Amino acid sequence: DAKTTQPPSMDCAEGRAANLPCNHSTISGNEYVYWYRQIHSQGPQYIIHGLKNNETNEMASLIITEDRKSSTLILPHATLRDTAVYYCILIFQGAQKLVFGQGTRLTINP
Amino acid sequence: NAGVTQTPKFQVLKTGQSMTLQCAQDMNHEYMSWYRQDPGMGLRLIHYSVGAGITDQGEVPNGYNVSRSTTEDFPLRLLSAAPSQTSVYFCASGRTGGTEAFFGQGTRLTVV
Repeated sequence: DAKTTQPPSMDCAEGRAANLPCNHSTISGNEYVYWYRQIHSQGPQYIIHGLKNNETNEMASLIITEDRKSSTLILPHATLRDTAVYYCILIFQGAQKLVFGQGTRLTINP
Repeated sequence: NAGVTQTPKFQVLKTGQSMTLQCAQDMNHEYMSWYRQDPGMGLRLIHYSVGAGITDQGEVPNGYNVSRSTTEDFPLRLLSAAPSQTSVYFCASGRTGGTEAFFGQGTRLTVV
């Protein structure tokens, strides 16, 4: 699986949008961009995934650039409970093996 | 649905002891896997299984054995525990060809 690059940490004010970037310049054409988060050493939790189109669900939005070399996870109205480590992972369709990097530690400040 | 259940939640072992970490899922998922997470690091894949009777090695398999006799259960065995195996262990399951993986709450293992 191709590798991803994320900033080690970010801060965001409560109620504001949190925008988490991910670079994946060597992504293959059939690799999906997945986002998971891990809250305080709990098991990771799936957030969202996409191939080339922007995606939105009840948790977040995913914006993928046209060349697919980078993406941004957007938490539209961050709350204190969104404080977590966020992982951007590339996965071939239908695959289940996840390769975790170090992720971005997002801290939401009151 | 209970989802993915791991037992025990905490365990302390002495070097050389053996033990089995249990993982069970009630979602009829074909795929199950074990990860370990060391402090400040991301998760690393130990072993995985694509169905009953089928297992394979992940990134860090040494020191661990697995078997998959049923769809529901995927135990992880440490035959002779070492301090380097002190870590938090996560089990996950998912549908083959599916989208998301479901994780258990973890087992925190300390080997002294």
